[in-house]
Amino acid sequence: AQTVTQSQPEMSVQEAETVTLSCTYDTSESDYYLFWYKQPPSRQMILVIRQEAYKQQNATENRFSVNFQKAAKSFSLKISDSQLGDAAMYFCAYAPNTGNQFYFGTGTSLTVIP
Amino acid sequence: SQTIHQWPATLVQPVGSPLSLECTVEGTSNPNLYWYRQAAGRGLQLLFYSIGIDQISSEVPQNLSASRPQDRQFILSSKKLLLSDSGFYLCAWSVVRVPDTQYFGPGTRLTVL
Repeated sequence: AQTVTQSQPEMSVQEAETVTLSCTYDTSESDYYLFWYKQPPSRQMILVIRQEAYKQQNATENRFSVNFQKAAKSFSLKISDSQLGDAAMYFCAYAPNTGNQFYFGTGTSLTVIP
Repeated sequence: SQTIHQWPATLVQPVGSPLSLECTVEGTSNPNLYWYRQAAGRGLQLLFYSIGIDQISSEVPQNLSASRPQDRQFILSSKKLLLSDSGFYLCAWSVVRVPDTQYFGPGTRLTVL
């Protein structure tokens, strides 16, 4: 079974500080994609960052970076210099290259404290 | 560039009434299309996905159905709504065959009273 687990239902961070959101997944596939999506109060799902499993280098997008540990099946998101606009629900997602489905975690609600 | 639209943005319907939610994608051809439901404070539940016209897969048995009358149009329907159908419905698309990224529409908030 292919599952995505986010063990932190809620997290908080002080403005300008760094926070790491955790995600683990279970798969027998060797080629797949991993994503972090942000859902602000507007509820529009916004792609934050994506990682291709065959790439060893961790993806980065400005203040957002990931720590991809393929052997451990771990995919954490680090947000540096947190801003008030980063407050949102964050979803980790997995998509195997052999199929058409995406699998989402249950989300982590991030609060940014001014 | 590609855009995805959902209509309506908000809907309040009585129990037992029919439902039709529309999703359209612009700027791409033959996309994979998806319907998700998100209950308040919860994750995303995949309802249907389609890899082409007349190719729709159902993930959760329920009183909802989906259709794809055109290549870039995906419709979510119900003949009789239940209270449990309330939620936030998201449509998404991805590139066919190699779904490397999923792009979401703005969503429809459905309240069944």
